[in-house]
Amino acid sequence: AQKVTQAQTEISVVEKEDVTLDCVYETRDTTYYLFWYKQPPSGELVFLIRRNSFDEQNEISGRYSWNFQKSTSSFNFTITASQVVDSAVYFCALSESQGAQKLVFGQGTRLTINP
Amino acid sequence: DAGVIQSPRHEVTEMGQEVTLRCKPISGHDYLFWYRQTMMRGLELLIYFNNNVPIDDSGMPEDRFSAKMPNASFSTLKIQPSEPRDSAVYFCASTQEGSNQPQHFGDGTRLSIL
Repeated sequence: AQKVTQAQTEISVVEKEDVTLDCVYETRDTTYYLFWYKQPPSGELVFLIRRNSFDEQNEISGRYSWNFQKSTSSFNFTITASQVVDSAVYFCALSESQGAQKLVFGQGTRLTINP
Repeated sequence: DAGVIQSPRHEVTEMGQEVTLRCKPISGHDYLFWYRQTMMRGLELLIYFNNNVPIDDSGMPEDRFSAKMPNASFSTLKIQPSEPRDSAVYFCASTQEGSNQPQHFGDGTRLSIL
């Protein structure tokens, strides 16, 4: 069965610090997709990134970067030079490739950036 | 481009009443999903449709919940009769066929059953 674990329930840092959100997943599939979503205080879910299981290259988008390691079944998310606007709940999710497109979400990490 | 549109944004009703949540997916998207978010259980998939056909409703909590998709641009999630434990935020999402494209979520309906 698929499972996504975000062990960090809450993280609080001071603005401009770097912060890493951990995500560990379980799946029996060899082909799968991993996602990160952001849920700001306003409540909507915003798509951030998708990776497939064959692409282990790290990705950087501005202050955001993602580290995918199949050997440890992890897909961690780092925010560099954090800002107050980064405060949100961040969800990691997993989808298997058999056409179902079903997402299994982790429990989320509440990130608070203090000024 | 319009995103996924859900209505109402907020609903407060009394136990026992029928509740209907509505969703308009992004035009051209083949898949539509209904999720429920609670503090205790996080984000759970309730049901999803492909080309208006329900594919997997194993997440629907009980017979009081039903969902329909009469056409490609409209879906409803109905709870009858509603109970206080149904209080949650209900999200609708849509995506298109192929390579697990990301799901795009609506703003959600915050439902409170008194």
